[in-house]
Amino acid sequence: DTAVSQTPKYLVTQMGNDKSIKCEQNLGHDTMYWYKQDSKKFLKIMFSYNNKELIINETVPNRFSPKSPDKAHLNLHINSLELGDSAVYFCASSPTENTEAFFGQGTRLTVV
Amino acid sequence: GQNIDQPTEMTATEGAIVQINCTYQTSGFNGLFWYQQHAGEAPTFLSYNVLDGLEEKGRFSSFLSRSKGYSYLLLKELQMKDSASYLCAVRDSNYQLIWGAGTKLIIKP
Repeated sequence: DTAVSQTPKYLVTQMGNDKSIKCEQNLGHDTMYWYKQDSKKFLKIMFSYNNKELIINETVPNRFSPKSPDKAHLNLHINSLELGDSAVYFCASSPTENTEAFFGQGTRLTVV
Repeated sequence: GQNIDQPTEMTATEGAIVQINCTYQTSGFNGLFWYQQHAGEAPTFLSYNVLDGLEEKGRFSSFLSRSKGYSYLLLKELQMKDSASYLCAVRDSNYQLIWGAGTKLIIKP
């Protein structure tokens, strides 16, 4: 009965590869997010999506793209992976834009 | 620019009280959140303040002063399981969450 689940939990891949991280929420929330947490532990918003509007943090490279097949899913695709992409990526969801977010368990991405 | 400041690390004793401060400078304000994050785990929601004053929830309380751009999280009767990072986050005028780097709290017996 996991609320926000993302897979895989760990991902090790080589530079230049393309990879995807999947996220699903069974809470019926309208808004989903992708965050990146770097080695200094800062959580930075990458995308927020509420099935009507995609808001992109302008600092995110266009190698990163969210894909939402339906309201309960928001997957993250990353093309041409770089060493600096190594981080923990968290998916989250919230009922509306101005309520607290519920986080998935995170995906630790290591690019070698 | 937008900025959230918290102490990097704090140490406290089991059974004691600790206060974790957060100051912020953001473009607009639509609420302040505190989250707890244990090592290797996801952040979990602790508290939300949008009006000035103190919000109490069990052993945890959170205070907000919007005029000062200041909040604190107060943890009472500390337990070993409270050892974690505590993240302060502010929702700005665009309803985007701006996060601090977190305060790592170490509880000693």
